Amino acid sequence: NFMLTQPHSLSESPGKTVTISCTRSSGTIGSSYVQWYQQRPGSAPSIIIFEDSQRPSGVPDRFSGSIDSSSNSASLTISGLRTEDEADYYCQSYDSSNHWMFGGGTKLTVL
Amino acid sequence: QKQLEQSGPELKRPGTSVKVSCKASGFTFSNSAVQWVRQARGQGLEWTGWIVGDSGNTKYAQKFQERVTITRDMSTNTAYMELSNLSSEDTAVYYCAAGSGSYYPYWGQGTLVTVSS
Repeated sequence: NFMLTQPHSLSESPGKTVTISCTRSSGTIGSSYVQWYQQRPGSAPSIIIFEDSQRPSGVPDRFSGSIDSSSNSASLTISGLRTEDEADYYCQSYDSSNHWMFGGGTKLTVL
Repeated sequence: QKQLEQSGPELKRPGTSVKVSCKASGFTFSNSAVQWVRQARGQGLEWTGWIVGDSGNTKYAQKFQERVTITRDMSTNTAYMELSNLSSEDTAVYYCAAGSGSYYPYWGQGTLVTVSS
């Protein structure tokens, strides 16, 4: 099986742009879709990107997702950071048996 | 309004079992699948398994293969996750999530399961 590795934490100022990476340890990043979940303290996760780059209705276009085969990673980019973007972010993909795999999560601080 | 409502917190002794429910309203499980994910305090998300709504087919994470059973009752639009032989390491919030394909927009509020003697 593979692992999805995310930075443990990131910090950025309001109005700036931040990118959270999610690197797949083996196999190709493009072989299964990557999703991104936002989790605020005390709340359930909420999907913000699915199928690598699709944004659900209601999710601001400040959030975007992409994959990069050269680095075998997926990325979540948040532009125009707001204080309400402060949360934990998790990438999620599938293994060959269609089992969910999560990254370890990234704690984003906006200050 | 489409939502998932989970059962309340549980306090269990080591070695016993727990069964958490997840009731859908505003949509039916027949057109979706239900995933179960857990999160220990201060830790990340961990997938335990899933069930396909119409067929009832299940898949479980290898870690929980011997201890977890996921079922659903189509008549009440409710999914269940039962975990047996509990230990303190199973203390966590358990979430259900419903969707299809790669899109899971509906999540329950979470159920805290505490395992303590």
